[in-house]
Amino acid sequence: KNQVEQSPQSLIILEGKNCTLQCNYTVSPFSNLRWYKQDTGRGPVSLTIMTFSENTKSNGRYTATLDADTKQSSLHITASQLSDSASYICVVSLDSSNTGKLIFGQGTTLQVKP
Amino acid sequence: DTAVSQTPKYLVTQMGNDKSIKCEQNLGHDTMYWYKQDSKKFLKIMFSYNNKELIINETVPNRFSPKSPDKAHLNLHINSLELGDSAVYFCASSQGAPPEAFFGQGTRLTVV
Repeated sequence: KNQVEQSPQSLIILEGKNCTLQCNYTVSPFSNLRWYKQDTGRGPVSLTIMTFSENTKSNGRYTATLDADTKQSSLHITASQLSDSASYICVVSLDSSNTGKLIFGQGTTLQVKP
Repeated sequence: DTAVSQTPKYLVTQMGNDKSIKCEQNLGHDTMYWYKQDSKKFLKIMFSYNNKELIINETVPNRFSPKSPDKAHLNLHINSLELGDSAVYFCASSQGAPPEAFFGQGTRLTVV
């Protein structure tokens, strides 16, 4: 069964600290993995995308890693800010076509406190 | 200059009613989707349309009927609403390979 599991379910950190979110997947065939940020009351917004041949991708303070052998990904947030408070969703694509099916994880809710 | 817009943002209705949610994208994308986000925050695909043609239908009850009058619009009509239909419904569009989905702000449907 194609699944994407994320941990932890929720996380509270102090402003300025770093944190790492985890994503394990059992999706096959695997095409690419994407991390989305979903602010409360808004739709998800893409942060990074990695194909199976890439093992790291950065977007500002966000750095995603991918280990296609162990089917694990992580999202590292550096020097957190209050605006980082959101849900972070790991999404795996079954194929690279434009109509490819996306499998969503349940998300990690991050709260950054001052 | 909103890329993917949904209306309404909130919808409260009684069981048994029929309602529609509209979605429009101005990105020129060929593919549009409807997703349902339940109380546990899981996003699940319901439908996918490519150039007005149905591509994916994920065992959604027949009470849900998507309509795509043109490739910039994908509306969702729901008949005989049930309590379990309460959720946030997201419209999205995508283009390119690998595809990046751009989401609307969501429609929170509450069935009472």
